Amino acid sequence: GAVVSQHPSRVICKSGTSVKIECRSLDFQATTMFWYRQFPKQSLMLMATSNEGSKATYEQGVEKDKFLINHASLTLSTLTVTSAHPEDSSFYICSASGLDIPEVGEQFFGPGTRLTVL
Amino acid sequence: LAKTTQPISMDSYEGQEVNITCSHNNIATNDYITWYQQFPSQGPRFIIQGYKTKVTNEVASLFIPADRKSSTLSLPRVSLSDTAVYYCLVGDLTTSGNTPLVFGKGTRLSVIA
Repeated sequence: GAVVSQHPSRVICKSGTSVKIECRSLDFQATTMFWYRQFPKQSLMLMATSNEGSKATYEQGVEKDKFLINHASLTLSTLTVTSAHPEDSSFYICSASGLDIPEVGEQFFGPGTRLTVL
Repeated sequence: LAKTTQPISMDSYEGQEVNITCSHNNIATNDYITWYQQFPSQGPRFIIQGYKTKVTNEVASLFIPADRKSSTLSLPRVSLSDTAVYYCLVGDLTTSGNTPLVFGKGTRLSVIA
């Protein structure tokens, strides 16, 4: 199957700083990437959908000015958590779908990024 | 997107067969049923997908009755490494590439030695 990577795998930062998380499709062109957030013992919650070359679509309740998403190329999407606070501490997961994937419509998930804000 | 209902948790001993049932009463004609597995601190991993009757791969089997209002994921002879959360998702395969997957609460399977 297709491979999606995330970097970093875990990050610890001070309150008020900004953190950038990268999501890469390694062996396919990702026309669409999704960003999810998962709190302990809970399910994945969709934050936003990003299509290459266009602005991301955010879910209700997700602050677009706080969670900046850029999908400038077919292999890379970034999520920047601006002015992070302890309540932003969570597990952030991206998924990708796109062209030249044998399994039509299938999405592939990254390994996730554990963000801890002190 | 059709809503799904699964048991919150299940326990099983090693070597047993585990069946996790998912209800999706409002499944649409074009919807497929997909199961994902998630280990702690990892992204979900695709297990199996089906539309009707039975699908089997090297990991699991998926049983779907004629009315398609439910489905059962069957894991043969589970081991400790099968301890994970299992999610049942229902959606239109032809559009799911551009449509986000909606995750329910999932079923937390604990395999005991």
